Amino acid sequence: GQNIDQPTEMTATEGAIVQINCTYQTSGFNGLFWYQQHAGEAPTFLSYNVLDGLEEKGRFSSFLSRSKGYSYLLLKELQMKDSASYLCASMDSNYQLIWGAGTKLIIKP
Amino acid sequence: DTAVSQTPKYLVTQMGNDKSIKCEQNLGHDTMYWYKQDSKKFLKIMFSYNNKELIINETVPNRFSPKSPDKAHLNLHINSLELGDSAVYFCASSRPGSGDPTGELFFGEGSRLTVL
Repeated sequence: GQNIDQPTEMTATEGAIVQINCTYQTSGFNGLFWYQQHAGEAPTFLSYNVLDGLEEKGRFSSFLSRSKGYSYLLLKELQMKDSASYLCASMDSNYQLIWGAGTKLIIKP
Repeated sequence: DTAVSQTPKYLVTQMGNDKSIKCEQNLGHDTMYWYKQDSKKFLKIMFSYNNKELIINETVPNRFSPKSPDKAHLNLHINSLELGDSAVYFCASSRPGSGDPTGELFFGEGSRLTVL
């Protein structure tokens, strides 16, 4: 079956670095997405990886290892506004997104 | 201007009623979607429409019917509401059709449906 696993909740300190892991098993693979969702709001796109390696975008970076079925989202210089849920989603061979349940990130001062 | 807008944002109704949620996108996208996000926060796709044609139907109950008068609108009609239908329903759109691997989705703000 198809499955996306990511931790339910993580806590980090303002100004620090946090890494949110995601493992995926899908029928085929056409890329891995990360979305951010603040409480009560819609998800917003953060990143897309389809090749192995690290993609950096400002304070956020996303890594992919296709052989391991593994990705992570790295957030640097954490700010209070980064408190949100981070959703990992894998696109399968039919170009359908398979979503994880999200990781709730709590930032403490 | 809001890119993907859906109404109403909140909907409280009794079991057995029929309700609709409307969605409009002004991005010129070809594909629109309806997702359900339940209390466990999983996003589950319900439908997608590409140029007014249904291309995905994830075995949702027949009580749910999408209606797309044109490619900028995708409405969701729900008959005979049940308690388990309580969730947040998100409309989304993407520029290309489902065959484009970039597939960035633009979501509406969500419609929180509570069935009593």
